[in-house]
Amino acid sequence: QLQLRESGPGLVKPSETLSLTCTVSGGSISSDSYYWGWIRQPPGKGLEWIGSISHSENIYYNPTLRSRVTLSVDTSKNQFSLRVTSVTAADTAMYYCARVTPYSSTWPPPDKIDFWGRGTLVTVSS
Amino acid sequence: QSVLTQPPSVSAAPGQKVTISCSGSSSNIGNNHVSWYQHLPGTAPKLLIYDNNKRPSGIPDRFSGSKSGTSATLGITGLQTGDEADYYCGTWDTSLSIYVFGTGTKVTVL
Repeated sequence: QLQLRESGPGLVKPSETLSLTCTVSGGSISSDSYYWGWIRQPPGKGLEWIGSISHSENIYYNPTLRSRVTLSVDTSKNQFSLRVTSVTAADTAMYYCARVTPYSSTWPPPDKIDFWGRGTLVTVSS
Repeated sequence: QSVLTQPPSVSAAPGQKVTISCSGSSSNIGNNHVSWYQHLPGTAPKLLIYDNNKRPSGIPDRFSGSKSGTSATLGITGLQTGDEADYYCGTWDTSLSIYVFGTGTKVTVL
């Protein structure tokens, strides 16, 4: 069974960089059939899609976060990562990593998010 | 950035049926597949419905999905206490170029 697990600091200071890693087990991140994504949920608010990346580093970013967000993959470790720079209190959220199925190989925007991690809470505070 | 609108809450007695609506526009629901997700606090969200009305393996047929125009609906029949959770619709928005989620609906079993 596919499992995804988020890891990283739970507390980040304002203006610093948030870095999270998602470790995938029970499946290969190098599959051509999937992308790997990040979604977040601020306390008391709804879900926000951050972006998704393929093993060959095709990336879809949320345009509103694009200037501060970097996605990357490490196929040798079966991991993918998220970096958010210049964080503020507005970046405080539960961060989820997930497997994303694209519509097709010729039109790869996300079609469905079929497996999620349990999430990790990141608080931005001094 | 919720461009998909859902009712904040719905409730019903055990065994009854609830429906959750998800209203969007031609740039999202109207021209793309809709998925539904179940989220119990402290757990990983789960895909319930994809491609508007398909269920992943292991999802009981008590859960159903439909789409008409720029709206989608999730139905839950034979309501159980274990169904108490938050439910979100989601789809690709072609104009915004992002995956968008609904505002979320809390299901309460009375």
